[in-house]
Order: sequence, then structure tokens, then C-alpha cells
Amino acid sequence: AQSVAQPEDQVNVAEGNPLTVKCTYSVSGNPYLFWYVQYPNRGLQFLLKYITGDNLVKGSYGFEAEFNKSQTSFHLKKPSALVSDSALYFCAVRPQSNYQLIWGAGTKLIIKP
Amino acid sequence: DTAVSQTPKYLVTQMGNDKSIKCEQNLGHDTMYWYKQDSKKFLKIMFSYNNKELIINETVPNRFSPKSPDKAHLNLHINSLELGDSAVYFCASSQVAGDQYFGPGTRLLVL
Repeated sequence: AQSVAQPEDQVNVAEGNPLTVKCTYSVSGNPYLFWYVQYPNRGLQFLLKYITGDNLVKGSYGFEAEFNKSQTSFHLKKPSALVSDSALYFCAVRPQSNYQLIWGAGTKLIIKP
Repeated sequence: DTAVSQTPKYLVTQMGNDKSIKCEQNLGHDTMYWYKQDSKKFLKIMFSYNNKELIINETVPNRFSPKSPDKAHLNLHINSLELGDSAVYFCASSQVAGDQYFGPGTRLLVL
């Protein structure tokens, strides 16, 4: 079965430190990869996506993600965390064969001052 | 201008009632979705419409019935509400297979 795993329910980072939120997937072919962010009591917002090309993708709010085909991973990163980055982050994968996104369970990111 | 809007934002109702949630997008997208987010924040796709035609219909009780009167609207009607229907329901839209844009959510509480 196709799936997306976000192995950490929660990630705690001190403000100013680099952050990584992990995502691995099990989807056949060459899927499209996405990261979304959900702030409290809000809808999800698109952060970035990988379709093809450079393995390092840059997105909104200074976030970037690195695609690793051999490890089937798409980890979200930011060089210097802000308190305002605290939110719920979702990884999603779309097989090229259909419209449907396969979602990870989400990772709560907490940035402490 | 709001890209994807949902009404109502909050809905508190009794078990057994019937309720509807409305969604509208002004992005010119041709595909719309309904998601359910449970108390553990897990997202589950329920339905998707492309050009008013149902293309995704996940295992959802038939008490849930989506209706798309046109490309810009996708409504969700729920019959005989149950306690387990309490959740946040998100509408989203995209160009076919493109980035999805989400509405602010409708928080449904069934008492």
C-alpha cells in the first residue's frame, strides 16, 4: 500500500537553531512531493513542492526541502528557526497516476525562545 | 479576496440532525475536495470533484453526500449526524493535479 510517514509526532527546536522535519514515502514511480503548514485554527497552506529537477527545493517563509530518491525521503529544513514557525507540518505525496494526495500524519513543530 | 471560503465556520448541532457545509472558490480551479481532520489532526480525503464530476469517493458513510452545482462550489450535506462526525471539515481546490488551496475549515461539534 502507498503511504507517507512522518516519524516524529513532535519536534522541539530552540529559536535560531536549524530545524528538520522528516518525511519518507512508499509510492511507486516518480511522485510529486509537497509540504503544507497548518497554523492553529487555520486551514493548511502550501509551503513547497518537488516535481523534478534540483533535489533542493526552496519554498515560503525560508523553508526548503531536500528530495532523496534512494532514501525515498523529502525532509523539510530551515537554517534558523523562528518562534512563529511553530505549527503543524504535513508531508504529502501524489502519484503521477492519479489526482489524490497521500498525506502524512503531521508533525507538530515547537520553536522555543 | 478570500480564495477558498467555507460556511459556516462553526456548527454545533444535536445527534440525528441534518446539516450542510458550503464551499466556494474564486481561483478558477477545476477540482475541489472535502477533507475531514479528526481530533488527532489526521487528514482524510472524503471526496473530490473535477468539473462537477465525482472523481474520488473514499470509504465514507452514505450519510455524507457532496454536491457540486458548478466548478466554483462544492457543498457537503450530512444526514443523521453522529457523535463521531465531530471534526474539522476542510474544503480545498486545485487545478487538476496541482497545488491544493485550503479553506479555513468548518468545526463541527455533534452533541
